[in-house]
Amino acid sequence: AQTVTQSQPEMSVQEAETVTLSCTYDTSESDYYLFWYKQPPSRQMILVIRQEAYKQQNATENRFSVNFQKAAKSFSLKISDSQLGDAAMYFCAYRSGPGNQFYFGTGTSLTVIP
Amino acid sequence: KAGVTQTPRYLIKTRGQQVTLSCSPISGHRSVSWYQQTPGQGLQFLFEYFSETQRNKGNFPGRFSGRQFSNSRSEMNVSTLELGDSALYLCASSLRWGSPGELFFGEGSRLTVL
Repeated sequence: AQTVTQSQPEMSVQEAETVTLSCTYDTSESDYYLFWYKQPPSRQMILVIRQEAYKQQNATENRFSVNFQKAAKSFSLKISDSQLGDAAMYFCAYRSGPGNQFYFGTGTSLTVIP
Repeated sequence: KAGVTQTPRYLIKTRGQQVTLSCSPISGHRSVSWYQQTPGQGLQFLFEYFSETQRNKGNFPGRFSGRQFSNSRSEMNVSTLELGDSALYLCASSLRWGSPGELFFGEGSRLTVL
């Protein structure tokens, strides 16, 4: 079975600084999808960014970007210019393809220090 | 457009009882999946429904079951509750089964088993 590992249970960052959250995954597939989801204290989880494995270019969404290293099976999330509203639990997720289930990591709790 | 709605938001049960949780997906979404979220375990996939048929199933005992209705609304049931079933149960919807797109989550149902 596929596994997703987030080795940082908690992280903190100063407001306006940059932080990187780590994620590694295990798969034998060549084509798959990777996601970062954010779960604020209100609990509704929202998509932050997604990456298709066949795309070599790293995805970017405003202040959020990923470093996708396919050979290393690594998918880290970089948050630039951190804001107080970025404080949340972040989950990395993997899906091998349409119709297949999502696998989530255990999450990283991010604290933003004013 | 209304988001994913889960009811009830909070509930307390005792061991041995059963519980039914409800999920109404975003209008037009036909696929519904369920996850159990516990601290340190992240999100564990329970099952996914599309067109009233279970398409994927996670590694949970038979006490966990679900169904989907013709209007895409879904329910999950847990029978003979155990203390370890205490968790946040999240429902997520997507346009259709097999879509590589994102999941849209509800705020969850917080179940406490005493």
